[in-house]
Amino acid sequence: AQSVAQPEDQVNVAEGNPLTVKCTYSVSGNPYLFWYVQYPNRGLQFLLKYITGDNLVKGSYGFEAEFNKSQTSFHLKKPSALVSDSALYFCAVTPGYSSASKIIFGSGTRLSIRP
Amino acid sequence: GAGVSQTPSNKVTEKGKYVELRCDPISGHTALYWYRQSLGQGPEFLIYFQGTGAADDSGLPNDRFFAVRPEGSVSTLKIQRTERGDSAVYLCASSAQPTGTSFNEQFFGPGTRLTVL
Repeated sequence: AQSVAQPEDQVNVAEGNPLTVKCTYSVSGNPYLFWYVQYPNRGLQFLLKYITGDNLVKGSYGFEAEFNKSQTSFHLKKPSALVSDSALYFCAVTPGYSSASKIIFGSGTRLSIRP
Repeated sequence: GAGVSQTPSNKVTEKGKYVELRCDPISGHTALYWYRQSLGQGPEFLIYFQGTGAADDSGLPNDRFFAVRPEGSVSTLKIQRTERGDSAVYLCASSAQPTGTSFNEQFFGPGTRLTVL
């Protein structure tokens, strides 16, 4: 069965410092991986995706994620955090044999950036 | 352009009642998805349409839940004999026609918050 684990319920970072939000996955075959962000009272917003190719994927708002097949991880990173990055972040996966299918989401990590 | 819209934004109903939740996808998107998000959890897949047909309904929890997309655009999620455990935010997403081996990202609506008293 496919699954996603986000081991941290909350991550606290000072503004200007680098941030990492962790994600590991379990899926048969080659995965498609995603990060979404959810701001209060707003819908889920797509940040970035890994389909194939370069293991380092760049996305919106200066975020990037690194796909590590041997560790089955897809951690979200940003070199310098902003207070406005505070939100709920979801890692998600789908098996890479279909071009359109359901996405399996993790339980979410709340990112809090202090000024 | 307009994004995915969902109506109503909030729905309060009593246990045992019937409810309908509507989703308007992004114009031209052929794939439409329904998810359910309970408090403190990530979205949970319910059903996926490609055009008018349900391509995958494996996430529907039981036969009280049903969804339709008769003209390949707007979709309605229908819940019969609602239970308190059905209370959640119901999210709709759409994506463009897949091409080749690419996977098109899903664009989400703001959700409908369903409360069953």
